[in-house]
Amino acid sequence: GQNIDQPTEMTATEGAIVQINCTYQTSGFNGLFWYQQHAGEAPTFLSYNVLDGLEEKGRFSSFLSRSKGYSYLLLKELQMKDSASYLCAVRGEDSNYQLIWGAGTKLIIKP
Amino acid sequence: EPEVTQTPSHQVTQMGQEVILRCVPISNHLYFYWYRQILGQKVEFLVSFYNNEISEKSEIFDDQFSVERPDGSNFTLKIRSTKLEDSAMYFCASSEASYRGTDTQYFGPGTRLTVL
Repeated sequence: GQNIDQPTEMTATEGAIVQINCTYQTSGFNGLFWYQQHAGEAPTFLSYNVLDGLEEKGRFSSFLSRSKGYSYLLLKELQMKDSASYLCAVRGEDSNYQLIWGAGTKLIIKP
Repeated sequence: EPEVTQTPSHQVTQMGQEVILRCVPISNHLYFYWYRQILGQKVEFLVSFYNNEISEKSEIFDDQFSVERPDGSNFTLKIRSTKLEDSAMYFCASSEASYRGTDTQYFGPGTRLTVL
């Protein structure tokens, strides 16, 4: 079967750094996405990885290891507005478009 | 910045009734999607649509569901004979024409469907 695992919830302090992990087992692999979702709102795109390594985009970075079926999202200089759920989604090899979603990691930022 | 829009924001219906959820994708996008998210659960893919036909659908997308692009701007999801378990947030998304690339899907704000 296809499965994506993420921690359910994490807590971090404003100004700090947090790493959110994602492991996946899918029928092939053709890209991994990270989305941010505030409560009651739509997911918004953060990053895309298809090759191994680190992609940096401002305060957010995403890493991928295809051999390990593993990714992480790194958030630096945390702000209160970063409190949200972070969703990991994978496109399998058999699919042109369909994304398989993790349940999301709820990140709570404390002052 | 262009964005995906959805109407209505909240739809309440009686069990057994039909509902139509509407979406206006980003104007230069060619791929359209419907997802649903039951409260507190993960996002689930329903269907993707390209060139006026369904390109992929999940096992959730059975005969109860249909999609249509009735004109050059709207993309609709019809749910027939609604059931209590259809209560969820329904998201529309769209992406550009890149094939299997970084075709980032941009999501609309969602329609919250409540079936009573």
